[in-house]
Amino acid sequence: AQSVAQPEDQVNVAEGNPLTVKCTYSVSGNPYLFWYVQYPNRGLQFLLKYITGDNLVKGSYGFEAEFNKSQTSFHLKKPSALVSDSALYFCAVRSGGDYKLSFGAGTTVTVRA
Amino acid sequence: EAQVTQNPRYLITVTGKKLTVTCSQNMNHEYMSWYRQDPGLGLRQIYYSMNVEVTDKGDVPEGYKVSRKEKRNFPLILESPSPNQTSLYFCASRLGTGVYEQYFGPGTRLTVT
Repeated sequence: AQSVAQPEDQVNVAEGNPLTVKCTYSVSGNPYLFWYVQYPNRGLQFLLKYITGDNLVKGSYGFEAEFNKSQTSFHLKKPSALVSDSALYFCAVRSGGDYKLSFGAGTTVTVRA
Repeated sequence: EAQVTQNPRYLITVTGKKLTVTCSQNMNHEYMSWYRQDPGLGLRQIYYSMNVEVTDKGDVPEGYKVSRKEKRNFPLILESPSPNQTSLYFCASRLGTGVYEQYFGPGTRLTVT
């Protein structure tokens, strides 16, 4: 069985400071990892993915994520947070040979001005 | 405009009254999926479809049915809704093999009394 853990329900940062949202996963086989963002009253939007290749992947809106195989982690980062980054963030994983996608419980990010 | 649409967006119903939530995508995507979102649990996959007439169970299929008679449509059917199916439902689609970004619909908030 595959699973995702987002250990922090909430992350609060000041605008301009670095933002990190943590994610660890468990999957058999090679992991396909994703980050999605959900703004209030909206559906989820794709941010970035790791399938293979460089451990540091870059995505939309200045976000990036680092894949660490030994720690089974895929933390989302942004060097300088904006108030508009305030949203609910989901990490997701699937096994390469599977169609099922498992999501974490989500982390609410609040960026204060 | 490329999009995934869901109808209705809001629905209040009573226990046992059959209902259908429609989902349609205009991107010629092969893969479609249904999720439910509950606080503290993130998104959980209900059913998915790899192509027309090909569907499979996700993590929480009990109490739900789906069909995929046309490529663009993937309705979710609740034959006898119960209060524990009160949730926020999302439909999603992606192009197919080798393309992993999912596009999500705006969501359907269902309340079963």
